[in-house]
Amino acid sequence: ETGVTQTPRHLVMGMTNKKSLKCEQHLGHNAMYWYKQSAKKPLELMFVYNFKEQTENNSVPSRFSPECPNSSHLFLHLHTLQPEDSALYLCASSQDSFNQPQHFGDGTRLSIL
Amino acid sequence: SQQGEEDPQALSIQEGENATMNCSYKTSINNLQWYRQNSGRGLVHLILIRSNEREKHSGRLRVTLDTSKKSSSLLITASRAADTASYFCATDGETSGSRLTFGEGTQLTVNP
Repeated sequence: ETGVTQTPRHLVMGMTNKKSLKCEQHLGHNAMYWYKQSAKKPLELMFVYNFKEQTENNSVPSRFSPECPNSSHLFLHLHTLQPEDSALYLCASSQDSFNQPQHFGDGTRLSIL
Repeated sequence: SQQGEEDPQALSIQEGENATMNCSYKTSINNLQWYRQNSGRGLVHLILIRSNEREKHSGRLRVTLDTSKKSSSLLITASRAADTASYFCATDGETSGSRLTFGEGTQLTVNP
């Protein structure tokens, strides 16, 4: 139990569907992150939220839309995805956004048909 | 340029042996972290070493940092089958702000 819970664990969707990934952390952290992990590629940072404010958007396509309603919850809204978006999406949190160990959830395995 | 490149890409050893993984990076850093990822799971933080530290221990793990060579190594002593996982180094460069940059990882297999 890492203190970071992601749902769903697996998701299969068509390119025209709209779905959302959810992340919840029970660690009292102030910073939350979305990462994309594709086979044979380094982990790619997508978004960073610090105290509920988005502090970084790593040139992510607009078909990915993050939402952080409070410092414990993070969502990633998905729409009109492409086959190359199939990957493991990992959520992480840290005490604050600088120089701190990050705690990861077990990810959502996303497959785009 | 990419930070945190691990070497080797894959390592297979017998239980009880030591495993050494290396990480090289390109720009100045504040900290370097090592993470482990078991198959189908998220990453787990192992050790953080600051740029002014040279060595750090945690149980069977020993991390070294050589800022002059821009490299770090992770040593796992007396390995166990349960150590089988991918190991990643991650750096936060002086100019990268909150961003951690991960390498592609070393896949360690410990055979019983």
